[in-house]
Amino acid sequence: GAVVSQHPSRVICKSGTSVKIECRSLDFQATTMFWYRQFPKQSLMLMATSNEGSKATYEQGVEKDKFLINHASLTLSTLTVTSAHPEDSSFYICSATGQVPNQSGNTEAFFGQGTRLTVV
Amino acid sequence: AQRVTQPEKLLSVFKGAPVELKCNYSYSGSPELFWYVQYSRQRLQLLLRHISRESIKGFTADLNKGETSFHLKKPFAQEEDSAMYYCALRGGAQKLVFGQGTRLTINP
Repeated sequence: GAVVSQHPSRVICKSGTSVKIECRSLDFQATTMFWYRQFPKQSLMLMATSNEGSKATYEQGVEKDKFLINHASLTLSTLTVTSAHPEDSSFYICSATGQVPNQSGNTEAFFGQGTRLTVV
Repeated sequence: AQRVTQPEKLLSVFKGAPVELKCNYSYSGSPELFWYVQYSRQRLQLLLRHISRESIKGFTADLNKGETSFHLKKPFAQEEDSAMYYCALRGGAQKLVFGQGTRLTINP
């Protein structure tokens, strides 16, 4: 299958600072990328959907000014957690969908390895 | 709205026993249903999807529109099946919505 790379895998930051998380599709063009948040022992909660070149669509209850999403190219989306607070500490996961070379049929979602954010 | 429910947070069975992980969904349109698996310290990966009607690692899942269910089954569990399993629904705007997940433990 295709590869989605997320960076960094872990980050610790101080309260009030901003943190940027990158999500890259390495061998296919990701027309759509999704950002999820996962609390301990809980499911993945969809935060937002981003299409290349357009503004992200945020799920209800997710602050768009807090979680800035940029999808400037077909292989890169970034999530910036602005003015981070301890309650933003979580596991953030991206996924990407697009047409993978040599793979016919419906598009599949591929997931990054996740980023554990700890705000101290 | 899209909603996926996995009623069991934890499921423990003995090796060789049958396994069924339950999944029910709610969606007004025509859904695509998936099962994803996450092994220890690994990323989420696709196990199977309803449109493929295939068996992966011995697992199968049938979409029952009347009962709005997509239960995952395997006749004989293996220890390497121990993992976290998520049922997911793709509806409008290609959004993939996940259930709460079921942690499956296969006892030797």
